[in-house]
Amino acid sequence: QITLKESGPTLVKPTQTLTLTCTFSGFSLSTSGVGVGWIRQPPGKALEWLALIYWDDDKRYSPSLKSRLTITKDTSKNQVVLTMTNMDPVDTATYYCAHSGATSLYFDYWGQGTLVTVSS
Amino acid sequence: EIVLTQSPATLSLSPGERATLSCRASQSVSSYLAWYQQKPGQAPRLLIYDASNRATGIPARFSGSGSGTDFTLTISSLEPEDFAVYYCQQRSNWPGYTFGQGTKLEIK
Repeated sequence: QITLKESGPTLVKPTQTLTLTCTFSGFSLSTSGVGVGWIRQPPGKALEWLALIYWDDDKRYSPSLKSRLTITKDTSKNQVVLTMTNMDPVDTATYYCAHSGATSLYFDYWGQGTLVTVSS
Repeated sequence: EIVLTQSPATLSLSPGERATLSCRASQSVSSYLAWYQQKPGQAPRLLIYDASNRATGIPARFSGSGSGTDFTLTISSLEPEDFAVYYCQQRSNWPGYTFGQGTKLEIK
């Protein structure tokens, strides 16, 4: 079965760079059509899509955050890494990684999420 | 960037009633729209994709309709476990996926 799990710091200081890792199982990111994305959710607020990487290393970013985001994959380790630079308190949120299926092209499996707080 | 507007913000209904949730896009997204359900403390769950296709394991009481700019999620007869927040999401305007702001479905 498909599972994903996010890992990374729970607390970062303003201006620091956040690095989050999504470790997954049950699928391969070398399979045609498959992708892994990142979505965040500030406390009590709506979901916001951040980035997505495909099996062929095609990368897509939220236009509003593109300058701060980098997404990479390590197929051999079944991991996807998201970095976000210049963190600010407004970036405090639960960060989710999710599988995008070759059939539905939407986020059909999600990790449990990890809460990242930005504070000095 | 395409903006998705969901209405109402909050919907108060009783178990057994029919729920109708709306999602309107600021420009056409064809049929490239999904619906998710999120319960407190949980990750979202995909319910409907491409406007009207139920995801794996989703009960038949959930249905989606619409195309272009206007979409509807219908829950035919509410079960107690259906009370949650629902989000729509579009994948038409590449590179930008966007989510709506959510509709909270609460018990009346």
